[in-house]
Amino acid sequence: DGGITQSPKYLFRKEGQNVTLSCEQNLNHDAMYWYRQDPGQGLRLIYYSQIVNDFQKGDIAEGYSVSREKKESFPLTVTSAQKNPTAFYLCASSRRDLNTGELFFGEGSRLTVL
Amino acid sequence: EDQVTQSPEALRLQEGESSSLNCSYTVSGLRGLFWYRQDPGKGPEFLFTLYSAGEEKEKERLKATLTKKESFLHITAPKPEDSATYLCAVRRFLSGGGADGLTFGKGTHLIIQP
Repeated sequence: DGGITQSPKYLFRKEGQNVTLSCEQNLNHDAMYWYRQDPGQGLRLIYYSQIVNDFQKGDIAEGYSVSREKKESFPLTVTSAQKNPTAFYLCASSRRDLNTGELFFGEGSRLTVL
Repeated sequence: EDQVTQSPEALRLQEGESSSLNCSYTVSGLRGLFWYRQDPGKGPEFLFTLYSAGEEKEKERLKATLTKKESFLHITAPKPEDSATYLCAVRRFLSGGGADGLTFGKGTHLIIQP
């Protein structure tokens, strides 16, 4: 089945450690996104990529990094510079064409900093 | 700055009791308003896209409508399985085209009691 796979589903890390969250899609979508979700807050855009080897900062990019070496993959690294990394992270993808606009989401990765 | 405000924050209904959720938005050049459903610990699931004032879309017990300043998600005779958080989002106009993600509201947590 086509879709978006995020891993791991749950992740614990110690303060000061970097951690990488995986996102893979087999929908043949050009655009991919990372969002962060905190309790009582809406989804906030961290980074997005419209094509391979290109990505742009979203609203809350500080303390995060991404790469887009393959169309199918858009991993997110949460660095030690991120002051409050505990959150639910969601990866999404879409066609680059705006005519439909629908984003497809993965099941999310919950990161807890101990 | 684009803003999306959803109300109420939470809503508890009896099974069969119809109601509406509100999504007010301010955006410079709307390129679509989106409704998603999110179950606890899961990624959002796409419901509807509306593009112009006066447009309506239906799916089972849900109907979404759009005006120039707000959208409503009407729930008719809801069932307990309709319990979820409903998210509203807008996509902004980009003169150069391409996909830059969505701006989300904080959501309405809906509980349908049997």
